[in-house]
Amino acid sequence: KQEVTQIPAALSVPEGENLVLNCSFTDSAIYNLQWFRQDPGKGLTSLLLIQSSQREQTSGRLNASLDKSSGRSTLYIAASQPGDSATYLCAVTSDNQGGKLIFGQGTELSVKP
Amino acid sequence: SAVISQKPSRDICQRGTSLTIQCQVDSQVTMMFWYRQQPGQSLTLIATANQGSEATYESGFVIDKFPISRPNLTFSTLTVSNMSPEDSSIYLCSVDGWASGNYGYTFGSGTRLTVV
Repeated sequence: KQEVTQIPAALSVPEGENLVLNCSFTDSAIYNLQWFRQDPGKGLTSLLLIQSSQREQTSGRLNASLDKSSGRSTLYIAASQPGDSATYLCAVTSDNQGGKLIFGQGTELSVKP
Repeated sequence: SAVISQKPSRDICQRGTSLTIQCQVDSQVTMMFWYRQQPGQSLTLIATANQGSEATYESGFVIDKFPISRPNLTFSTLTVSNMSPEDSSIYLCSVDGWASGNYGYTFGSGTRLTVV
């Protein structure tokens, strides 16, 4: 059974700092991995999608990497801003889970002005 | 990627009543997914809804409590029945992008339900 873990659970940084969020998964047989952002009480916004054959994806100040063999992904946020404050979720779709999304518990990020 | 309109965005309901949540997608999709997010928790899949067949429920979720309709390829509803305070959660619908070649998932804006 696929399990997804995110570390840290919460992170507080000063504005302008570069930061890394971590995601690990137990079964390397994945279709893809997706990073989402969730603002309090809201839905999910997709940030980056990495297919199983890819190593990384970039969008603006965000860079996500994927190492399937070690079961890890990182989300790198450059020059953080207060508007980046949100919960960040990673999720995987796996060969043996019928294509369902399996979510981590999320990292709650607070960027202080 | 698909755009999903989800209604209502929030509601406060009395225990024992039911609430129906709607999701409208701007393109035809084969499968729609319904999730629950309890306070402080991550997302849990409730069921997968295919057009023309009964929804497939995950362990711990039953049709009598969470009936789902899927009348066509762009619309689905989830009803939370006979509500109790434990049903207070955010409910989200989602679609995958496989048909369009985008292999990621898109989510609705969520329904924040409070049961009093």
